[in-house]
Amino acid sequence: AAGVIQSPRHLIKEKRETATLKCYPIPRHDTVYWYQQGPGQDPQFLISFYEKMQSDKGSIPDRFSAQQFSDYHSELNMSSLELGDSALYFCASSLGLAGARLNEQFFGPGTRLTVL
Amino acid sequence: AQSVTQLGSHVSVSEGALVLLRCNYSSSVPPYLFWYVQYPNQGLQLLLKYTTGATLVKGINGFEAEFKKSETSFHLTKPSAHMSDAAEYFCAVIWRSQGNLIFGKGTKLSVKP
Repeated sequence: AAGVIQSPRHLIKEKRETATLKCYPIPRHDTVYWYQQGPGQDPQFLISFYEKMQSDKGSIPDRFSAQQFSDYHSELNMSSLELGDSALYFCASSLGLAGARLNEQFFGPGTRLTVL
Repeated sequence: AQSVTQLGSHVSVSEGALVLLRCNYSSSVPPYLFWYVQYPNQGLQLLLKYTTGATLVKGINGFEAEFKKSETSFHLTKPSAHMSDAAEYFCAVIWRSQGNLIFGKGTKLSVKP
């Protein structure tokens, strides 16, 4: 069965550079969630999209932005990267909003971002 | 504030022994409850979830968890640990007004031969 695809899997950037992370949800899934997991930390919710509209916002820095496109894939854009942005970034997808209809969130393998 | 607490950041058991990983939530309204497992350098895999109905939930790999409303708990158990169970386990919740998961700090399970 098709799973959530994230690219790239690994990314190394310098401070103050920009990065774009991509997420391709499971086919027919219309909801995408982004989470950030720092070293030794629990995943923290950043932002979510449902039907190409932002549905909820968590602890996403102002330097980050995201969007969901017409084919439901999503991109997380990160600018002015800081050392503290080094983390594993997960994307999850579901069919419908997980809270409203408790549709399971399926996680991708993550993108490991290292900021030097 | 609503929160999820996992007691014990690191649990070590012997192979064949009982596994018990603890999770408590703080809310007057029970959330939806989940357990995820994360193997090193991998993503999060759903073990089991509780939404409504039977309070004892069976998941994959022989794990199960029981929702106890009176104790605001959702502890994860497995009768007999296997070496392949060594991983980090996250308890997570969705409060019904939201769609995003709120994770506990995680418990790293070690299994000794």
